[in-house]
Amino acid sequence: GAVVSQHPSWVICKSGTSVKIECRSLDFQATTMFWYRQFPKQSLMLMATSNEGSKATYEQGVEKDKFLINHASLTLSTLTVTSAHPEDSSFYICSPTGSVDTQYFGPGTRLTVL
Amino acid sequence: DAKTTQPTSMDCAEGRAANLPCNHSTISGNEYVYWYRQIHSQGPQYIIHGLKNNETNEMASLIITEDRKSSTLILPHATLRDTAVYYCIVFGDTGRRALTFGSGTRLQVQP
Repeated sequence: GAVVSQHPSWVICKSGTSVKIECRSLDFQATTMFWYRQFPKQSLMLMATSNEGSKATYEQGVEKDKFLINHASLTLSTLTVTSAHPEDSSFYICSPTGSVDTQYFGPGTRLTVL
Repeated sequence: DAKTTQPTSMDCAEGRAANLPCNHSTISGNEYVYWYRQIHSQGPQYIIHGLKNNETNEMASLIITEDRKSSTLILPHATLRDTAVYYCIVFGDTGRRALTFGSGTRLQVQP
């Protein structure tokens, strides 16, 4: 299967700071990137979709100015949580996809905002 | 995407086969059945997918009924490391839209 990495795997930050999460597809080119988040004891929820070189589209209820997505290359996308607050604490998972018939996922980033 | 129904939880003895059912009675002709699992604090892991024929790979087997309204994921010899939440997803638009995850089945493999 495809190899996807995320960095960092976990991060703890103070309220009001910004956190950047990187997602890399290591062995294929990702024309599309999906970002999900998962709160404790819940399932994955799609946050946004981005296509390489284009602006991301956000799901209802996800603030585009708070969750900045950059998908400038076919192997790297970043999600920046700006002015993070405790309610943003969650497990963030990226899913790059390209010309394959299966969607693969990154290992996830656990964000804890104090 | 067609809705799926899975049991909330299941137990299985280590070394025995784990059979995880999934109902998808509204599946349409071009939709595949995908199975993923999520081990605690990890991203979802792809297991297998199929359209109408049974499929087998190194991880599992997928049995799809002839009418395609239900399927069963089989882990032939479950180990403790197979303890996870298993998601059955019906989807026909890979690469263009994101997968939608339901609640899945929490499989607990017992020693």
